[in-house]
Amino acid sequence: AQTVTQSQPEMSVQEAETVTLSCTYDTSESDYYLFWYKQPPSRQMILVIRQEAYKQQNATENRFSVNFQKAAKSFSLKISDSQLGDAAMYFCAYRSAGNTDKLIFGTGTRLQVFP
Amino acid sequence: DAGVTQSPTHLIKTRGQQVTLRCSPISGHKSVSWYQQVLGQGPQFIFQYYEKEERGRGNFPDRFSARQFPNYSSELNVNALLLGDSALYLCASSYLYEQYFGPGTRLTVT
Repeated sequence: AQTVTQSQPEMSVQEAETVTLSCTYDTSESDYYLFWYKQPPSRQMILVIRQEAYKQQNATENRFSVNFQKAAKSFSLKISDSQLGDAAMYFCAYRSAGNTDKLIFGTGTRLQVFP
Repeated sequence: DAGVTQSPTHLIKTRGQQVTLRCSPISGHKSVSWYQQVLGQGPQFIFQYYEKEERGRGNFPDRFSARQFPNYSSELNVNALLLGDSALYLCASSYLYEQYFGPGTRLTVT
């Protein structure tokens, strides 16, 4: 069975600085997808960025980028130029490439952004 | 375009009662998944429905059931509610391999 681990329950960053959130996962599959979701206090889970395991190039979406290390089964999220609106819970999630939408989530990292 | 919608927003039930939660996917999305998020934890997968057929089931008791309608909306039913069923219930619809979540239904069992 696949598992996702987020070892940082809380992180903090100064506005305009850079922060990296860690995620490791365990799987025996070779093809899969990885995601970072953001959940602000409003509760709505928002997709931040995705990575296909077959792609070697790290995904980037504006100020958000990932460091995907397939062999190490590591998938960290880097947030550059942090903004107050980035404060939220961040969840790392795994999806098999098969015929299922099932997402396996980590326990989350609470990010605080200080002005 | 409207995102995933869920109703009701909040719900308070008593132990032993039954509850029905509703979800409307993004237009054009044929797959709907349900997740339970207990406070302080990540969401746990309950069900996936695609084209009205169950495609996946998580490790939840038979008190949990779901169905999908011809318009791809979905209902999640929970019977014989327990205090431990208190949680945020999230619905997600998917396109290809990306899932988009609704705002959730907060269920409190007293």
